Formats: sequence, structure tokens, C-alpha cells
Amino acid sequence: KAGVTQTPRYLIKTRGQQVTLSCSPISGHRSVSWYQQTPGQGLQFLFEYFSETQRNKGNFPGRFSGRQFSNSRSEMNVSTLELGDSALYLCASSALNRQAEAFFGQGTRLTVV
Amino acid sequence: GQQLNQSPQSMFIQEGEDVSMNCTSSSIFNTWLWYKQDPGEGPVLLIALYKAGELTSNGRLTAQFGITRKDSFLNISASIPSDVGIYFCAGRQGAQKLVFGQGTRLTINP
Repeated sequence: KAGVTQTPRYLIKTRGQQVTLSCSPISGHRSVSWYQQTPGQGLQFLFEYFSETQRNKGNFPGRFSGRQFSNSRSEMNVSTLELGDSALYLCASSALNRQAEAFFGQGTRLTVV
Repeated sequence: GQQLNQSPQSMFIQEGEDVSMNCTSSSIFNTWLWYKQDPGEGPVLLIALYKAGELTSNGRLTAQFGITRKDSFLNISASIPSDVGIYFCAGRQGAQKLVFGQGTRLTINP
């Protein structure tokens, strides 16, 4: 069974640009969540989607948004990038009967210059 | 945002030693999880705990769900070089978001 796939693995963007990150969950998983990981702040929750609906949202500005498609694939978008948005962005998926168990992808390393 | 208190923050041990780390929270959780993260990779789920008092093993790893539901412990026995990495605890209550500890960085001297 394939794991969670995130694309791209690495990305370099300029301040002010926007970026879209993609996540394909494990087959059969309908819940997808996103996290930002930085050395100083650890793993910070961004949002969680289940069946195309946002179920939980973290304390991030409105520049961070996400969505989930009918095939459970998810995207997150960050607009007007700031230097502080440089981080590892992780996506995790969960099965319906084990929703607490989140399985992570390898992440997308975003560098804003 | 909300964080779990995970300790210690780092550990430097000799190969073959046992390791203990723990997480505490001011809130109760009905699920505790332990993850390991290697450099440049996403966290990998090691153990999931669902009941207060539960003790679960995965090879040389053993984790416990505290009786108060506000803490959890992870032990690694007879450490080996591939145990090096960052270990995270995480807790979840119902359908609320998964909350992570700040991690314990494990370094092993051969």
C-alpha cells in the first residue's frame, strides 16, 4: 500500500509570491491534515479536512488555506509569502476507523527568499 | 498554540542503554501517539495508545497511557544506532486536532 505522497519535495519561492502544495493520502483514507514544522516552533497544526469539509483549523493567518477534493487528495495554498513561512510542510492522512492515527508524508521543504 | 510538555528535550546515551521519555498535558486525551522522525523525513508512527493504563510494545519500544489520561511514557530498551532521531508524543481528544510535544532528540554514542 503506497504511503502519503507530497509534491513537490523542495520548493524555493520569493517573498510576495504564492505557493500550492499537494498531498495524496493513503488509499482509502478520507481525513487529511496539514502541519508546519520549524526548528523553533515544532509541529504546528494548520488544518484538517474530512470528506472535502474543513473539520479543524489552527491559528494561522488567512494567507494559509487548503482544500480537499472528492478523491481525498488535498492542496494547501500560501499567498503573499513571507520569509517566516520557510518550513517543512507535512501532510498526514487517517483512516475512518482509526482517525487518531495520522500517517505522514515526507513533507515539502519550502524556502522563501 | 497548545503544546504538550515533552521531556527531556535531548538525550545523549551509550549504545545498549535504555531510554525513557515522557509527555504531560494540562488536558486529558483519549488517544496518545508516539512518532519518530529522521532528518529530512516525515514522522513515522511507532505506537498508538487508546486506553488509560494501557501498556503497548513494538519490538524494543514500550509506551504507556497514563492513568490520569494526562501523560504518556515511551521506553526504548537496549538502544542501537538506528534509534537516533527525534521522538514526538502526540495527543488527541475526540475529533479535536492532534497536538504534538516539542520532541526529544536522541543521540547515541557507539
